[in-house]
Amino acid sequence: QQQVKQSPQSLIVQKGGIPIINCAYENTAFDYFPWYQQFPGKGPALLIAIRPDVSEKKEGRFTISFNKSAKQFSLHIMDSQPGDSATYFCGGGATNKLIFGTGTLLAVQP
Amino acid sequence: NAGVMQNPRHLVRRRGQEARLRCSPMKGHSHVYWYRQLPEEGLKFMVYLQKENIIDESGMPKERFSAEFPKEGPSILRIQQVVRGDSAAYFCASSPSLQETQYFGPGTRLLVL
Repeated sequence: QQQVKQSPQSLIVQKGGIPIINCAYENTAFDYFPWYQQFPGKGPALLIAIRPDVSEKKEGRFTISFNKSAKQFSLHIMDSQPGDSATYFCGGGATNKLIFGTGTLLAVQP
Repeated sequence: NAGVMQNPRHLVRRRGQEARLRCSPMKGHSHVYWYRQLPEEGLKFMVYLQKENIIDESGMPKERFSAEFPKEGPSILRIQQVVRGDSAAYFCASSPSLQETQYFGPGTRLLVL
């Protein structure tokens, strides 16, 4: 009930490609779904977040697609750049207690 | 506005010693969260505190771990009698209120020899 499953574990794309990272949750009480980006040796930084009353949210090159009935959501990075190479974590829960996925290591090749 | 501050950034302890990790939330933030990140794993929620109160400690190990957020000063995560399995990165996050985004600090990397 408390898990957030994230896939793939790692992902390699060419510059300009559109990496897609998927997450699935179990607890229907979750009402907040953020994505965090983490560079080596740094703390996670919030990229974008969504609540279950919308199916899509876009901020710059980052888009979250949310499927409430399937309990799944995904992150799409448009026109990916080498600087996007990082680990991405999805999260679910309430804002006071987040359950995170295990992370996706993204490498964007020049 | 300075971000979330954590110190030390790196901490080395021998088995059996105590580790004290400090977190200063962003200015105006009264909610603090601690997470642990083991190598090759995601972030695991440990505890959520408001000033002088522990709100949710469901992710804290039952023994040796404690946390506080006093009226004055930083939040402290304390690990007594550390073991090698405690080696991890410990992240603190803060938010201005319950419904707001959590902002993470740079983490403290604990190594237990």
